[in-house]
Amino acid sequence: EAQVTQNPRYLITVTGKKLTVTCSQNMNHEYMSWYRQEPGLGLRNIYYSMNVEVTDKGDVPEGYKVSRKEKRNFPLILESPSPNQTSLYFCASSLSEVSSPLHFGNGTRLTVT
Amino acid sequence: GQNIDQPTEMTATEGAIVQINCTYQTSGFNGLFWYQQHAGEAPTFLSYNVLDGLEEKGRFSSFLSRSKGYSYLLLKELQMKDSASYLCAVMDSNYQLIWGAGTKLIIKP
Repeated sequence: EAQVTQNPRYLITVTGKKLTVTCSQNMNHEYMSWYRQEPGLGLRNIYYSMNVEVTDKGDVPEGYKVSRKEKRNFPLILESPSPNQTSLYFCASSLSEVSSPLHFGNGTRLTVT
Repeated sequence: GQNIDQPTEMTATEGAIVQINCTYQTSGFNGLFWYQQHAGEAPTFLSYNVLDGLEEKGRFSSFLSRSKGYSYLLLKELQMKDSASYLCAVMDSNYQLIWGAGTKLIIKP
C-alpha cells in the first residue's frame, strides 16, 4: 500500500531533551516536507527536500533540523525542544514539487513540557 | 505579503449544496489545491486547478478565476461524512505552497 509513515503518533517530552520524528514513504517520491499545524492557523512549512541530499528551509525552520540521506526517509530532529514547539506535525511527500498532490502521514502530536 | 482567505466555519444541511470560497493574494500563481481534513487526521487531496474554469469530480467540484484571485469548492448532496475542514492552498511563483487556515464545515441532519 502506498503510504507515508510517521512515528511516533504521540510524544510527550521535556524541554531540552533531543528527539527525532521519523518519516518514510514507499512511493519513490522526490519531494518531501514537514509541516506544523495549530488551530486557526494554516499548515506552516518547516523544511522541505526536493531530492536526496537537498534540503531547504520553509517558513518556520528555527529549532528544527532535517536530513535526506535516502530518498524514502526524511526525519525531523528537535535538538533542544521548547514548549512553543508543542504542535501537530505532518510529514508529506509528492512526486515532484510542481502540481503533484501531497500525500500526508498520519501526524505526530508533540507536547513539550 | 502573501495571503489566503477562507471562512472560518460554515454550517449546512445533509443533502444540500454548499460552496466554500477561497481568495488569494500571492507572488505568482502555479496552481490551487483543495484538501479535506477530518478532525485529528491527515489532509487528503481533493482537487487541483491551474486554468480558469470548473473541474468536476463526483459530488465535488472546484472553480478557479485567476484574474479575480478566487476559487470555490462546491459540495453537492452533502453527507454527514463531509463534516471536516477544507483547506485551500496556492502554489506561488517559487513553487511554494501557501495555505489558508481552513474552513470547518458542519453538516446537520
